[in-house]
Amino acid sequence: DQQVKQNSPSLSVQEGRISILNCDYTNSMFDYFLWYKKYPAEGPTFLISISSIKDKNEDGRFTVFLNKSAKHLSLHIVPSQPGDSAVYFCAASSLSDYKLSFGAGTTVTVRA
Amino acid sequence: ETGVTQTPRHLVMGMTNKKSLKCEQHLGHNAMYWYKQSAKKPLELMFVYSLEERVENNSVPSRFSPECPNSSHLFLHLHTLQPEDSALYLCASSQTTGGLAGAGNEQFFGPGTRLTVL
Repeated sequence: DQQVKQNSPSLSVQEGRISILNCDYTNSMFDYFLWYKKYPAEGPTFLISISSIKDKNEDGRFTVFLNKSAKHLSLHIVPSQPGDSAVYFCAASSLSDYKLSFGAGTTVTVRA
Repeated sequence: ETGVTQTPRHLVMGMTNKKSLKCEQHLGHNAMYWYKQSAKKPLELMFVYSLEERVENNSVPSRFSPECPNSSHLFLHLHTLQPEDSALYLCASSQTTGGLAGAGNEQFFGPGTRLTVL
């Protein structure tokens, strides 16, 4: 049973525009959420996280929004750059647990 | 070397072969993980080691056998695999398994071993 879902397998966006990646979860015990970025032939690298006490966390061009009532989070990348072309994984956990539940990933392609 | 390294990067094996995947972390972490990623599917946690002791075996078939001789090294021994075991196998490490409270305990991943079972 998949507890974290990324329903859009791919996203294509023009350079300079906003990329919005979505993630839904079902387990109400999750209270910590992360985004990982993966280039081909490399492992996933941690990008940004948010705990459930916040509804927004920003780091440079990357902002994660959390809507606990809807069990939904999103990652905004503004402005999108060609180097942002990668697979993005949403992951969730509880603060008392090391185990991460991952989504299947969204492949982002930034067009020049 | 820095971060988390994995060897080999690619492996093709027959169903009767025995092979091993190796992971090494250079981050001074105490926890190490094996994940499996099949095409278009989420990462699946297989095994977790904390201070060289296995703390998680996520219903993995016995044809996968992990070994953690010290906190820097993790192996995955493979024998009599099936074609459906073909996948990307990722190793990760974190400071501890004591939860993700606050920054600093995120998992760092290696580049993975692309395994093909014929």
